[in-house]
Amino acid sequence: AQRVTQPEKLLSVFKGAPVELKCNYSYSGSPELFWYVQYSRQRLQLLLRHISRESIKGFTADLNKGETSFHLKKPFAQEEDSAMYYCALGGTNAGKSTFGDGTTLTVKP
Amino acid sequence: DVKVTQSSRYLVKRTGEKVFLECVQDMDHENMFWYRQDPGLGLRLIYFSYDVKMKEKGDIPEGYSVSREKKERFSLILESASTNQTSMYLCASSTPGLASYNEQFFGPGTRLTVL
Repeated sequence: AQRVTQPEKLLSVFKGAPVELKCNYSYSGSPELFWYVQYSRQRLQLLLRHISRESIKGFTADLNKGETSFHLKKPFAQEEDSAMYYCALGGTNAGKSTFGDGTTLTVKP
Repeated sequence: DVKVTQSSRYLVKRTGEKVFLECVQDMDHENMFWYRQDPGLGLRLIYFSYDVKMKEKGDIPEGYSVSREKKERFSLILESASTNQTSMYLCASSTPGLASYNEQFFGPGTRLTVL
């Protein structure tokens, strides 16, 4: 069975500080992992996918199969990063994903 | 530009009413999904559909049904609304194929309140 765990429901950092949103997964197959973001009053949207190995808005995430983790990191948080972040696990061609419970990030001035 | 639209942003209904939530996507996607979004509980899948007239139960299907008569439209039905169905409902769509790129595209959500 697929499972995604985001251990922090709330995370608060100051502007300019590093931020790490944790995500751990459980899956017996080859994992396909995503981070989605929902800014206030906006729709949920894809932030990044592990296969692309890209940096979006300064965020990166590395898949660590040994630790079954896909933590989202940014070296210098900005106030506009304040949002709800969901980690998601795909892995089948059905296009279905399992979402974590989400982490609300607040970046204080 | 990719678009998923939902028929209402806010909806207020009474206990026992039959409620229809409509979702339309213009991307010719085969897959469509209905989720509930509740604080502290994340996104929970209610139903999904991988083709017209095809549907599968998600994690919390009780009290809900769905209809997909056309590829672009996926409806969520609350047969007899109850107060515990007060929630934000999100519709999403995606295309099947290589799982690594199965991004889901979300609608703006419908905030349903059942009194």
